[in-house]
Amino acid sequence: QSALTQPPSASGSPGQSVTISCTGTNSDVGGYDYVSWYQHHPGKAPKIMMYEVSKRPSGGPDRFSGSKSGNTAYLTVSGLQAEDEADYYCSSYAGSNNWVFGGGTRLTVL
Amino acid sequence: QVQLVESGGGVVQTGGSLRLSCAASGNYDIHWVRQAPGKGLEWVAFIRNDGSNRYYADSVKGRFTISRDSSKNTVFLQMNSLIPDDTAVYHCAKGGGIVVAGTFDPWGQGTLITVSS
Repeated sequence: QSALTQPPSASGSPGQSVTISCTGTNSDVGGYDYVSWYQHHPGKAPKIMMYEVSKRPSGGPDRFSGSKSGNTAYLTVSGLQAEDEADYYCSSYAGSNNWVFGGGTRLTVL
Repeated sequence: QVQLVESGGGVVQTGGSLRLSCAASGNYDIHWVRQAPGKGLEWVAFIRNDGSNRYYADSVKGRFTISRDSSKNTVFLQMNSLIPDDTAVYHCAKGGGIVVAGTFDPWGQGTLITVSS
C-alpha cells in the first residue's frame, strides 16, 4: 500500500485557522469513511484527534474538525494555539484488512 | 483508563530476531505501528482481542508474527529475518470497536529497534 500524501509542513499564527490535506485513492480515502487523524509530539505517544472522517474523540478540543471530499481528507485547526504545534498524521482503511498512513505534516505555530 | 507499555527493543544485526511485548491494562484489539527515523507512520500488524484474527502489512508478512497471552494481557510481535528497513520506533495501539475503522487509541510511547547491517 502506498502512503497517503500530506504536505510536509503547514503554519499559522495564534488564533488563525489552518487546514491540512491528506490525499489517497479510491481504494482507501475515497472508498471508505474511515479516515483518522493523529497528533504526535516527538518522543511522546501519538494521540487521536479525529476518527471516521469527522468524529471527535470524547474530550477532544472542538477547535479540530475533519472533512472529506473525494479522495482527499482534511483536518482543520481553528483558533490555533501554541500547544497545537506538532506532527499530524492521517490514516485510512485501505481494504483487505490493511491500513495506511500519510507521511505526516509538521504544523508550526508562528 | 487504557494503558499500553511496549518493551523488548534493542540493537540486532541483519537477519536476526527480536520479540516485542505490549503490556496492556486489559484484553483489547491491538495494532503495531512503526515509525522509521525521519519518516512517517506505517501500520505493521493487528490481532483481535481473542486472537481470532491476525493481519499483517505486506512489508512484514512472512517475517513477523503477532500473538497474545490473554492471561497476562500482553501482545507480542515476533520479528524474524530483520533488515535495516525495519529500524524504527514500534508503537502498540488499541484498536477501536469497529476494526476496519482503524481508530488507534490510545498508543504506547514506543520501543526502538535498530537493525545494523
